[in-house]
Amino acid sequence: DSGVTQTPKHLITATGQRVTLRCSPRSGDLSVYWYQQSLDQGLQFLIQYYNGEERAKGNILERFSAQQFPDLHSELNLSSLELGDSALYFCASSVDPWNTEAFFGQGTRLTVV
Amino acid sequence: EDKVVQSPLSLVVHEGDTVTLNCSYEVTNFRSLLWYKQEKKAPTFLFMLTSSGIEKKSGRLSSILDKKELFSILNITATQTGDSAIYLCAVLQSGGSNYKLTFGKGTLLTVNP
Repeated sequence: DSGVTQTPKHLITATGQRVTLRCSPRSGDLSVYWYQQSLDQGLQFLIQYYNGEERAKGNILERFSAQQFPDLHSELNLSSLELGDSALYFCASSVDPWNTEAFFGQGTRLTVV
Repeated sequence: EDKVVQSPLSLVVHEGDTVTLNCSYEVTNFRSLLWYKQEKKAPTFLFMLTSSGIEKKSGRLSSILDKKELFSILNITATQTGDSAIYLCAVLQSGGSNYKLTFGKGTLLTVNP
């Protein structure tokens, strides 16, 4: 157990809908990262927050947004869902941004039908 | 365009064999190279390499970075069935306060008893 908690574990929703994925980082970690893993694209970095502020942006679509709250948990919002958004979404956390080991949660499996 | 290429894509060996996994990259503003092991779900961190020529070692796993030739290798000696996993290489780039993490497609290692 990495100490990073993601909910829900599985999510099935229809095209056009909006979902929110939640991540609780390890105790003491200030940095949160979101990743998307699909069969065709592999693992892709989406976005990173540090102590409530956005720090880095990767291949995140405009339909997706994220935030980190004062208690350091983070949410990834995915809207106007398309079939191609079906993927495993990981959250990871670390003490420092990018300089230390990041621990991954078990992921949320999103299926868009 | 930033590229991270891993080879081979897939490898099947017998227990006790030694394997070498390769990761080459072409990116701007290189900062560090990371190796992850992904079994059933979440990736777990193996190594972060920043300096050329310095081997990092953890048990039967070791890794080295060559910043002149733009590649890294991950060695696993005396392989065990528990080493079966996808091994991911990622390159971290940074320019000022901007960061970007690009993953390779991974090497699927299967260790047969």
